[in-house]
Amino acid sequence: DAGVIQSPRHEVTEMGQEVTLRCKPISGHNSLFWYRQTMMRGLELLIYFNNNVPIDDSGMPEDRFSAKMPNASFSTLKIQPSEPRDSAVYFCASSSRVSGANVLTFGAGSRLTVL
Amino acid sequence: AQSVTQLDSHVSVSEGTPVLLRCNYSSSYSPSLFWYVQHPNKGLQLLLKYTSAATLVKGINGFEAEFKKSETSFHLTKPSAHMSDAAEYFCVVGGGSYIPTFGRGTSLIVHP
Repeated sequence: DAGVIQSPRHEVTEMGQEVTLRCKPISGHNSLFWYRQTMMRGLELLIYFNNNVPIDDSGMPEDRFSAKMPNASFSTLKIQPSEPRDSAVYFCASSSRVSGANVLTFGAGSRLTVL
Repeated sequence: AQSVTQLDSHVSVSEGTPVLLRCNYSSSYSPSLFWYVQHPNKGLQLLLKYTSAATLVKGINGFEAEFKKSETSFHLTKPSAHMSDAAEYFCVVGGGSYIPTFGRGTSLIVHP
C-alpha cells in the first residue's frame, strides 16, 4: 500500500488566492482527518469524516476553509481566500476500526506558504 | 471527555543514555493510548499503541511504554538514546471517541 497520499507537498501562493489541498486515504479506511500544524499552535484537528460524512468540523477556523470527501478515496481541503496566517503544514490521516480503533496513518503533509 | 498532557516540551539527553518522555491522560472510557513520532519535515508515524492488552507495550526502534492506570500515565522510555531518535513525540489518547486527542508534543534532543 502506498499509504496516505497528499498533494501538493509544497505550495507557495499569494494572499487572496484559492488553495486546494488533496488527500487520498488508504484503501479500506473509513475515517479521514485533516490536521494543521504550526509552531505557535501545534497540531490542530480541523475536520473529521467517517464514511465520507463530515462528523466534526468544529476545528475549521472560519468560513474561508471548506473540506469535502466526495468518495471514499479522495478528500480536499480548500482555503478561499488564503491569508498569510494560514501558512502551516496540513496533514491528512486515515484510519479504520478494523485495523485498530483510532490508529491513524498520516500522509507526508502539504506545506503551505501564503505571502 | 478525554485529554492528554505531555509534561515536558523539551527533553535533552546524551547519546547512549536513557530516554523518558512523560505523558498523563484522562478519559471517561477505558482508553486506547498511542505514541507517535515526527522526524523533521516528515509526517507522524505510529511508535506503539496500548489497547487494553499487556500494560507494557513494545514499539519500534527500541521504544516501550507502560500503561499505569493508578497513575493515569503512559510514559515512553528507551534504554539508550541514538542520534536518530531526535524528533518530536506525541502522546495520544483515544478509545471512547472516534477522535483521538493529541498532546502538545515533546521535542527530544540527543547530544553526541
